[in-house]
Amino acid sequence: EAAVTQSPRNKVTVTGGNVTLSCRQTNSHNYMYWYRQDTGHGLRLIHYSYGAGNLQIGDVPDGYKATRTTQEDFFLLLELASPSQTSLYFCASSDARDRGHEQYFGPGTRLTVL
Amino acid sequence: GDSVTQKQGQVTLSEDDFLFINCTYSTTTYPTLLWYVQYLGQGPQLLLKVTTANNKGISRGFEATYDKGTTSFHLQKASVQESDSAVYFCALVAGGYKVVFGSGTRLLVSP
Repeated sequence: EAAVTQSPRNKVTVTGGNVTLSCRQTNSHNYMYWYRQDTGHGLRLIHYSYGAGNLQIGDVPDGYKATRTTQEDFFLLLELASPSQTSLYFCASSDARDRGHEQYFGPGTRLTVL
Repeated sequence: GDSVTQKQGQVTLSEDDFLFINCTYSTTTYPTLLWYVQYLGQGPQLLLKVTTANNKGISRGFEATYDKGTTSFHLQKASVQESDSAVYFCALVAGGYKVVFGSGTRLLVSP
């Protein structure tokens, strides 16, 4: 059974819309991450967290909020979506003892902002 | 800051060809270097990793060697198969729990 799940798998919204992407992991991992994947840029880190209630800023945080409600659940929020946020979003988790070396990724959410 | 460079956007090979994917990195620390593979429609998964302690990683026929002198971490495989078609990401962990990924190299292998 998949250890990192994401919902929805596909989402279409309009400019200025409000979007929440959800991620759940059953790996009992401390760390969770949100990335966006764009052609030519690879994977870029938006936000990450080392536990419930914690949030760390990633490399491309502008326009995104995130919240870690439990060890299992990590949400990415786009409160005023823009076309530049059209992308493939991945959530991942990792074990603190592994120091982030092996991250387990979800299947991704494709977001389109019209 | 830390960075990883993959200059090859796409590599096209035939089955049994030799694979070589370039990766160079920049960091001020002693990194752990990683290769991730992403198959179509899936999230990336770890293929292999190399630390400064062991210098070489091998997994599923793939091999990568850490060269501190040239700051390179190239990925090689002696004989590719069609099932190896995927996107390959070079990455580094320089400190903390953040992984910095390269832009990826798409490998297409024809039968």
